Amino acid sequence: EPEVTQTPSHQVTQMGQEVILRCVPISNHLYFYWYRQILGQKVEFLVSFYNNEISEKSEIFDDQFSVERPDGSNFTLKIRSTKLEDSAMYFCASSVKVNTEAFFGQGTRLTVV
Amino acid sequence: QQQVKQSPQSLIVQKGGISIINCAYENTAFDYFPWYQQFPGKGPALLIAIRPDVSEKKEGRFTISFNKSAKQFSLHIMDSQPGDSATYFCAGKNNLFFGTGTRLTVIP
Repeated sequence: EPEVTQTPSHQVTQMGQEVILRCVPISNHLYFYWYRQILGQKVEFLVSFYNNEISEKSEIFDDQFSVERPDGSNFTLKIRSTKLEDSAMYFCASSVKVNTEAFFGQGTRLTVV
Repeated sequence: QQQVKQSPQSLIVQKGGISIINCAYENTAFDYFPWYQQFPGKGPALLIAIRPDVSEKKEGRFTISFNKSAKQFSLHIMDSQPGDSATYFCAGKNNLFFGTGTRLTVIP
């Protein structure tokens, strides 16, 4: 069964460093998303991406964040100058079209120390 | 501003009982109402979803009831099982807004 894959599963970084979280969405999906989830809390939308550009972004997704689809398969989230409060689980998701099921990856646990 | 409000925050149900989780939404433009299930250490996965042209959808033990006039939709889990113990999230507007989650515990 097709699935969204994320790497790495766990990343530890020092405060102020840049991190890149990687995702391979399901191949025929057109919409891509990044979410974060602080331990035990709600799933928070960061950004959605369609047709090689950002379609929606939340207030959380400030200049510290950027997304890219560098080739036909990968979808990345870059966090510049990480802060302690960026520590969370980051989920990538994809969907075939708008307003349909979002398929989530297993997540990357980011720990900023 | 919370676009979807979910309740209760936690729920404990005996095995075989009915679990009911509610979600209220604000924006009448929403046209896709999903419930996601999340187990610890895993990503959310779609459990069941409904569109506003029907008032109820049933898949096995899981039912969504949709009340357009009240701007609410609810998840009913019949014959709840210990394996249903998880966190459940409603969502709205193309999966952009998630509820705060309901932690369901089914006691054997």
